[in-house]
Amino acid sequence: ELKVEQNPLFLSMQEGKNYTIYCNYSTTSDRLYWYRQDPGKSLESLFVLLSNGAVKQEGRLMASLDTKARLSTLHITAAVHDLSATYFCAVDEREKSSGDKLTFGTGTRLAVRP
Amino acid sequence: DTGVSQDPRHKITKRGQNVTFRCDPISEHNRLYWYRQTLGQGPEFLTYFQNEAQLEKSRLLSDRFSAERPKGSFSTLEIQRTEQGDSAMYLCASSRFEKLFFGSGTQLSVL
Repeated sequence: ELKVEQNPLFLSMQEGKNYTIYCNYSTTSDRLYWYRQDPGKSLESLFVLLSNGAVKQEGRLMASLDTKARLSTLHITAAVHDLSATYFCAVDEREKSSGDKLTFGTGTRLAVRP
Repeated sequence: DTGVSQDPRHKITKRGQNVTFRCDPISEHNRLYWYRQTLGQGPEFLTYFQNEAQLEKSRLLSDRFSAERPKGSFSTLEIQRTEQGDSAMYLCASSRFEKLFFGSGTQLSVL
């Protein structure tokens, strides 16, 4: 059974600081997704990482994937309050599929304080 | 692009009643997914359609849960004889390629 673990589970950051969220998973997969969820809202797709060594950046967020280590990171640069949300990573359970069955981590709740 | 639409947004029901939720995917998306999310957890996969074919349903939580997508467009998720443990957010998502687009969900409360 695929297990997806995120750490930390809760992160309180000061504005302007940098930090990294880690996502480890237990089985071979070359597709990993990052989502953002605001309280009471649905999930917003941030990144889709499709191969080993993939790196994607959008604004203050950068995601990377190391399939050999079964590890993805979400790096936050110079945090701002608007980034406060819960961030989920999700792993596609089957190789060479297209998001058929995603297993999500438990999420990292990020709070950015002034 | 009107996004993935789910109805209703909230549903309160008494234990033992049946409930049905509807999902309208983005129009050109052939894949449709149902997930369940409980408080403080990540979404949990339930089932998946490609067009009208239900290709994966082993993760439906019990035989009280069923889903349909009769014409390959909208989908319904039905829960029969609801239990308090069914209380959760039920999320629908659709895709054409790798990226899934999620709807706002239906929050179910079973009293």
